[in-house]
Amino acid sequence: ETGVTQSPTHLIKTRGQQVTLRCSSQSGHNTVSWYQQALGQGPQFIFQYYREEENGRGNFPPRFSGLQFPNYSSELNVNALELDDSALYLCASSVDRTVYEQYFGPGTRLTVT
Amino acid sequence: QQQVKQSPQSLIVQKGGISIINCAYENTAFDYFPWYQQFPGKGPALLIAIRPDVSEKKEGRFTISFNKSAKQFSLHIMDSQPGDSATYFCAARNTDKLIFGTGTRLQVFP
Repeated sequence: ETGVTQSPTHLIKTRGQQVTLRCSSQSGHNTVSWYQQALGQGPQFIFQYYREEENGRGNFPPRFSGLQFPNYSSELNVNALELDDSALYLCASSVDRTVYEQYFGPGTRLTVT
Repeated sequence: QQQVKQSPQSLIVQKGGISIINCAYENTAFDYFPWYQQFPGKGPALLIAIRPDVSEKKEGRFTISFNKSAKQFSLHIMDSQPGDSATYFCAARNTDKLIFGTGTRLQVFP
């Protein structure tokens, strides 16, 4: 059984640029949630995708958007990057949208300069 | 209302000792309370979880104690080992999402 994978591992972008982060969910999981983890903080919920539809969104602006594909993999897109977007972006998958037993990937470290 | 307050921020324990991390919440709609362990450079890993209809759950050296009336729950790590040194996060589920605490950095010294 393959766990949650994310790419790339690290990324450096300039303020104002756009970025796409990718996530492959664990086998058998149809729900992907994205979190932002600032240094020294707990993960903050960005949004969740369940069967290719957005199912809930946290307190993040519209320049954070996402997609889920038929194989349940997912993308997180961030437009007009700001310095405060520098963080570890975590993808988590679960069997369904109830997020009982949610499993995280290793994250993508994004640095905005 | 959407917050989960976690304490202490950091904890130093000697090998073989008991580590205790506490969390408190206000929102009675929370219905599932997991604990995650995170090592540097890694994503959080699910450690143990509890639902509010039970007061305690034990898995190996890890125990969650849950006090529904006080809206508090805690993680106890018995016989703490240097390999337990990591950051621990409590979380609570509300409407298909997890709300995380701010984390506790645990250091276990030999």
